[in-house]
Amino acid sequence: KAGVTQTPRYLIKTRGQQVTLSCSPISGHRSVSWYQQTPGQGLQFLFEYFSETQRNKGNFPGRFSGRQFSNSRSEMNVSTLELGDSALYLCASSSQRRGGTDTQYFGPGTRLTVL
Amino acid sequence: GENVEQHPSTLSVQEGDSAVIKCTYSDSASNYFPWYKQELGKRPQLIIDIRSNVGEKKDQRIAVTLNKTAKHFSLHITETQPEDSAVYFCAAITSGSARQLTFGSGTQLTVLP
Repeated sequence: KAGVTQTPRYLIKTRGQQVTLSCSPISGHRSVSWYQQTPGQGLQFLFEYFSETQRNKGNFPGRFSGRQFSNSRSEMNVSTLELGDSALYLCASSSQRRGGTDTQYFGPGTRLTVL
Repeated sequence: GENVEQHPSTLSVQEGDSAVIKCTYSDSASNYFPWYKQELGKRPQLIIDIRSNVGEKKDQRIAVTLNKTAKHFSLHITETQPEDSAVYFCAAITSGSARQLTFGSGTQLTVLP
């Protein structure tokens, strides 16, 4: 099976702009989670979607939002970008099948730079 | 919520020696503990995981141990090789309808030739 894919891989934006990142999970995986990775804060959970519903949300401001489509692809949006939003944004998918594992498989990430 | 602490933050070992990374978690309901390896510029890759009903799991040179009573788990790498150099993250997840991985802060492992 193809792995988790993310587009774009790199983005450069300026403060105040907004950005949309995309994640395509492994085929058959219905859960998609998003994480922000920075040198100072490490890997922090943003939110998780399952069957088009947000099941859990981390401690991030409302400028961070997401959605999931019926094919399990997910997007996250960051509005009114701030310098501190510069980070590697990772998505991870898992099968969440009954009796299945909770193993999360990560995509390559989108490197966002805010100038 | 869950809190995971990871030690040490950096670890240097000679090639062939063993490396041990330790994590503690706070939520006694956590039941799944994966370890990820992240090489520079790459995605985190799952290297081993353990569930709360198991005390130890081994995969070739890598092993993980879990002490539920003390709420800590450890990664053991034996016969280290230069390609083991990377950042290693432990994580914990709590069962339930909403699954959220809480990560430790990472350990930069350097294997010296």
